[in-house]
Amino acid sequence: RKEVEQDPGPFNVPEGATVAFNCTYSNSASQSFFWYRQDCRKEPKLLMSVYSSGNEDGRFTAQLNRASQYISLLIRDSKLSDSATYLCVVYTGRRALTFGSGTRLQVQP
Amino acid sequence: ETGVTQSPTHLIKTRGQQVTLRCSSQSGHNTVSWYQQALGQGPQFIFQYYREEENGRGNFPPRFSGLQFPNYSSELNVNALELDDSALYLCASSLQGTNQPQHFGDGTRLSIL
Repeated sequence: RKEVEQDPGPFNVPEGATVAFNCTYSNSASQSFFWYRQDCRKEPKLLMSVYSSGNEDGRFTAQLNRASQYISLLIRDSKLSDSATYLCVVYTGRRALTFGSGTRLQVQP
Repeated sequence: ETGVTQSPTHLIKTRGQQVTLRCSSQSGHNTVSWYQQALGQGPQFIFQYYREEENGRGNFPPRFSGLQFPNYSSELNVNALELDDSALYLCASSLQGTNQPQHFGDGTRLSIL
């Protein structure tokens, strides 16, 4: 079983749609959680950290459920510029970030 | 604020050769981590450097080695290159700590022929 699992997609949605991604992690001792965004052939960029209380940044909302060991990302009012791969990232305390394989989002006009 | 910079951008090598990739950390960051990203996969952790010492290592063989310098910049060295080493190599810098996000450079795309 992979340490961090994501649905690879692709998710094809129209502009203005709301889309949600889920991610599960296997290590219950995981300490920190993040969502990164990666455009094709570019470096990952931090989208947002994920806190137990949930957090929101504009159109983006992240949730963490420690009991079920999953993380979610909700994108409201999707824009064409949101098209990218979204990486679920977990810090397990071994000095490293553990990445999921990513979920690809394609927003269509 | 200066971001993470990596060099070179692209590199082509042949099997058995050796390669050195370079990374300058974001100003104020004292920790550098290296990742390998194969096509269609998420980045895989190679190792991390803090205070010029290896601070953690992923599941990579000893032919992957590194250095960190007093100015926090870092090098990744790979010996005896294999075809499977073809990938995007990413450097990320951060402050030391569990809740500190890492910021990535543009990466070096390494192709092995």
